[in-house]
Amino acid sequence: GQNIDQPTEMTATEGAIVQINCTYQTSGFNGLFWYQQHAGEAPTFLSYNVLDGLEEKGRFSSFLSRSKGYSYLLLKELQMKDSASYLCAVMDSNYQLIWGAGTKLIIKP
Amino acid sequence: IAGITQAPTSQILAAGRRMTLRCTQDMRHNAMYWYRQDLGLGLRLIHYSNTAGTTGKGEVPDGYSVSRANTDDFPLTLASAVPSQTSVYFCASRKTSGHTDTQYFGPGTRLTVL
Repeated sequence: GQNIDQPTEMTATEGAIVQINCTYQTSGFNGLFWYQQHAGEAPTFLSYNVLDGLEEKGRFSSFLSRSKGYSYLLLKELQMKDSASYLCAVMDSNYQLIWGAGTKLIIKP
Repeated sequence: IAGITQAPTSQILAAGRRMTLRCTQDMRHNAMYWYRQDLGLGLRLIHYSNTAGTTGKGEVPDGYSVSRANTDDFPLTLASAVPSQTSVYFCASRKTSGHTDTQYFGPGTRLTVL
């Protein structure tokens, strides 16, 4: 079967760095996505990785290793507004997104 | 304003009633999707449409139907609602451009079936 695993909840301190991991087993691979979702709102796109390596976009970076079925999202200089759920998703061989349950990130002052 | 709109924002529905959730996008994206989101679970795909005039079943299609008469609209119908269909429903459209691939989400419809 297809499976996306990520931690349920993480806590970090304002100004610090946090890494959210995601491991996956899917039928085919056509890219890995990270989305941010604030409580009561829709998911919004953060990053897309299709090749191995690190993609940096401001305070957020996303890493992919296809051979290990592994990705992480790195958030630097954490701000209170970064408190949200972070969703990992993989596009399978049918170009459909398979979603993890999300990681709720709590930022403390 | 470009984007995706959904209606209604929320709805309480009696079991057995028929309900259509509306979704409209003005970005001219070909592919559109309906997901449901339940606490503790990832988004699950209900139905999708790769282009106007075509639709396909996702992971959890039972009890739902869709149509795609044109590029902009992608309504989701619950023929006879059941309490297990209580959920938050998101409509999304997909943009692919070069080596980027993004799904844009509507604001969601919170549905409660009693």
